[in-house]
Amino acid sequence: AQKITQTQPGMFVQEKEAVTLDCTYDTSDPSYGLFWYKQPSSGEMIFLIYQGSYDQQNATEGRYSLNFQKARKSANLVISASQLGDSAMYFCAMRPGAGTALIFGKGTTLSVSS
Amino acid sequence: GAVVSQHPSWVICKSGTSVKIECRSLDFQATTMFWYRQFPKQSLMLMATSNEGSKATYEQGVEKDKFLINHASLTLSTLTVTSAHPEDSSFYICSASWVLGTQYFGPGTRLLVL
Repeated sequence: AQKITQTQPGMFVQEKEAVTLDCTYDTSDPSYGLFWYKQPSSGEMIFLIYQGSYDQQNATEGRYSLNFQKARKSANLVISASQLGDSAMYFCAMRPGAGTALIFGKGTTLSVSS
Repeated sequence: GAVVSQHPSWVICKSGTSVKIECRSLDFQATTMFWYRQFPKQSLMLMATSNEGSKATYEQGVEKDKFLINHASLTLSTLTVTSAHPEDSSFYICSASWVLGTQYFGPGTRLLVL
């Protein structure tokens, strides 16, 4: 079965600290894509980072990096130097094949305090 | 990144009326558009996949006669909630992609049925 699991309903971190949001996935497709989206209270889905199943290196985008461990089927998001504006819901998603819809995890609410 | 718009952003309607939501890709041609539904504090659930010029593919449990989807052009897809009822109140969000591309999400439409 194709599935995304996010086991942390909520995470709390102080400003300037790093935080890791966990994500594991399950698919039998050899080619797949993994995504992280941020959803603030406004509801918009903001694309953060993408990792392809054949990518050799971990993806990075500014303060965001994806810790891709293929054998363990995990795709954790690392946010370095947290900011107050990072407080939001974060969703891990998988695209199990080309052109297919995304499968979302249940999300993790991140709260950043000063 | 690519821009996807949705209109309206908010709609309040009486039970029994129909509501049309538009999803537009503003700067690229979207071969595929997806419609998701999100209840408060929950994840996004795929409702249907829409390819330009063909009938939408609905997920199991989604009534195709209630949620009419039209994808008449490469830049526009519409979702019509027919005879809306209070249980249809939700956040509806579309995404658009080109072949093998990243999905870009619209800002969402909040529907409240009284």
